[in-house]
Amino acid sequence: QSVLTQPPSVSGAPGQRVTIPCTGSSSNIGADYDVHWYQHLPGTAPKLFIYGNINRPSGVPDRFSGSKSGTSASLAITGLQAEDEADYYCQSYDSSLNAYVFGTGTKVTVL
Amino acid sequence: EVQLVESGGDVVQPGGSLRLSCALSGFTFGDYWMHWVRQVPGQGLVWVSRINGDGTTTNYADSVKGRFTISKDNAKNTLYLQMNSLRAEDTAVYYCVRVLGGVSLHNEPYDIWGHGAMVIVSS
Repeated sequence: QSVLTQPPSVSGAPGQRVTIPCTGSSSNIGADYDVHWYQHLPGTAPKLFIYGNINRPSGVPDRFSGSKSGTSASLAITGLQAEDEADYYCQSYDSSLNAYVFGTGTKVTVL
Repeated sequence: EVQLVESGGDVVQPGGSLRLSCALSGFTFGDYWMHWVRQVPGQGLVWVSRINGDGTTTNYADSVKGRFTISKDNAKNTLYLQMNSLRAEDTAVYYCVRVLGGVSLHNEPYDIWGHGAMVIVSS
């Protein structure tokens, strides 16, 4: 079950800025659990792109940034590049479900 | 190099059983929590189960509780997922994932992923 909601798709031209919202509730993001973001290319292993709401692992370009406020979080990509085309998932923990939860996923398309 | 390699995926009939394995290399297995996450083709990621470093604590998603069992053999550097009473809705790619160490409980991100094992439940 996906208790974190994301738009199915976002798109932008090369060089533009896009944001992917991740909407949760008072039992997950709003309960102050951290939000993490993963990039997933079909047929490959998902890759951690943002952890602890705002932190980038080594090797992730600094055009990717994360933020969190209240019951929502977002991933921003500035200076969009063709290689950024992928599916992106947010992830957190839900205290009502006692489960780790993922967002519904967003496909980023570079026009 | 830190690496996770799943195996054991197969086609199985409804009601059948299957055991997935995940071979680890490049880190000390006993120091980390490990999880299983699955993805139905064309759908999103779903958490399945987790186990702590010494194998004494396990947790499961409600959808698999009572049917799946997670375990580990630290000496063999291998994580397992025993799946019984399989249903069509268990058809998915199953990923073995490592949790980033040193992070407070329930705030851990998944820093290392395997490439997945495909399980198909069909008659």
